Amino acid sequence: AQKITQTQPGMFVQEKEAVTLDCTYDTSDQSYGLFWYKQPSSGEMIFLIYQGSYDEQNATEGRYSLNFQKARKSANLVISASQLGDSAMYFCAMREGGSSGNTPLVFGKGTRLSVIA
Amino acid sequence: DTGVSQDPRHKITKRGQNVTFRCDPISEHNRLYWYRQTLGQGPEFLTYFQNEAQLEKSRLLSDRFSAERPKGSFSTLEIQRTEQGDSAMYLCASRRGTAYEQYFGPGTRLTVT
Repeated sequence: AQKITQTQPGMFVQEKEAVTLDCTYDTSDQSYGLFWYKQPSSGEMIFLIYQGSYDEQNATEGRYSLNFQKARKSANLVISASQLGDSAMYFCAMREGGSSGNTPLVFGKGTRLSVIA
Repeated sequence: DTGVSQDPRHKITKRGQNVTFRCDPISEHNRLYWYRQTLGQGPEFLTYFQNEAQLEKSRLLSDRFSAERPKGSFSTLEIQRTEQGDSAMYLCASRRGTAYEQYFGPGTRLTVT
């Protein structure tokens, strides 16, 4: 069974600093995909970054990077140069079967990030 | 491309009433998902369509819930005889073919009084 664990209910970071949001996962599949989504107070889930289980390089998208450690089954999100607009809930999610898999996303409970001026 | 849209954005209903939500996916996205999100939790999968076929349903989807996607375009989620425990945000997402990214709509927030 799939499982996503986010152990940090809340995090604070100073504006312009970097922050790491933790995510560990559990799956018996060899092919899977890992995702991070941002959910501001408006409620919409915004896709941030994706990492495939066979990708050798860590994914990066602008200020977001995914620190993928396959042996540890961790997929931490790193946000560099935090901005006030980064304050939101952040969810880690996984899909088994890789990018083309039919299975739905399984989400963790989320981490609330607060950026302080 | 206007993104995934959902209607209504908010719904308040009395216990025992039926409600129906609509989701319009991004055009050409053949995969459509419904999720439910309760306070303090991540979204939980409810059901999934590929074109007009409903391929998977979660055990969370009790007999009071039904979903359709006629003609493989928009989808509706109906809840019959609503209960207070149905109060949640209902999220719809769509995805194109084998693309990995899943785009979410703004959600419908249901409050059952």
